[in-house]
Amino acid sequence: GAGVSQSPSNKVTEKGKDVELRCDPISGHTALYWYRQSLGQGLEFLIYFQGNSAPDKSGLPSDRFSAERTGGSVSTLTIQRTQQEDSAVYLCASSLGGLAGRDEQYFGPGTRLTVT
Amino acid sequence: GQNIDQPTEMTATEGAIVQINCTYQTSGFNGLFWYQQHAGEAPTFLSYNVLDGLEEKGRFSSFLSRSKGYSYLLLKELQMKDSASYLCAASTDSWGKLQFGAGTQVVVTP
Repeated sequence: GAGVSQSPSNKVTEKGKDVELRCDPISGHTALYWYRQSLGQGLEFLIYFQGNSAPDKSGLPSDRFSAERTGGSVSTLTIQRTQQEDSAVYLCASSLGGLAGRDEQYFGPGTRLTVT
Repeated sequence: GQNIDQPTEMTATEGAIVQINCTYQTSGFNGLFWYQQHAGEAPTFLSYNVLDGLEEKGRFSSFLSRSKGYSYLLLKELQMKDSASYLCAASTDSWGKLQFGAGTQVVVTP
């Protein structure tokens, strides 16, 4: 079946503009995660959604970052007033969400964001 | 604070064995994952350990010691296609919140 998809694959934006990144998880997966990977760095947790529970936003670096998940499926990560330090690859992952955090996460191909 | 440490880079010869160590210190712990990431690609799952001991899966094995906050990934019979970054990640809650290390770049030479 289809894996996790993300769009756009690449985004170049000017400093100060807002951007929206989209993630389509694997059908039936109740858990959805957003990570950020800067050049040469490990993955940094941003936010996750688990079923109907309130999302864990503890990894969002500032209030310029927000995310929503509509209908328990598609998720959008929004970055307002982008800054150059926001440049990174933004990765989305999904999992079945049924084994108390022990499920394998399936990653999408990522969105490479460049802020000029 | 939370900390996941692993070596930055390791080099090994095709056919050899390499062991990637990972030490972790997290406020919560619900198991240890290893992911493989080829350059420019998404991470893919390799292994998960929640109990102490060794889990073997083909050429790859993973070990966990919860009391020592230590894990390793063992890659046997190295192939050129194993050249990649290997990410150690601790699950820190009941919902799959992962804390990743910076990754270990493994370079396999002929």
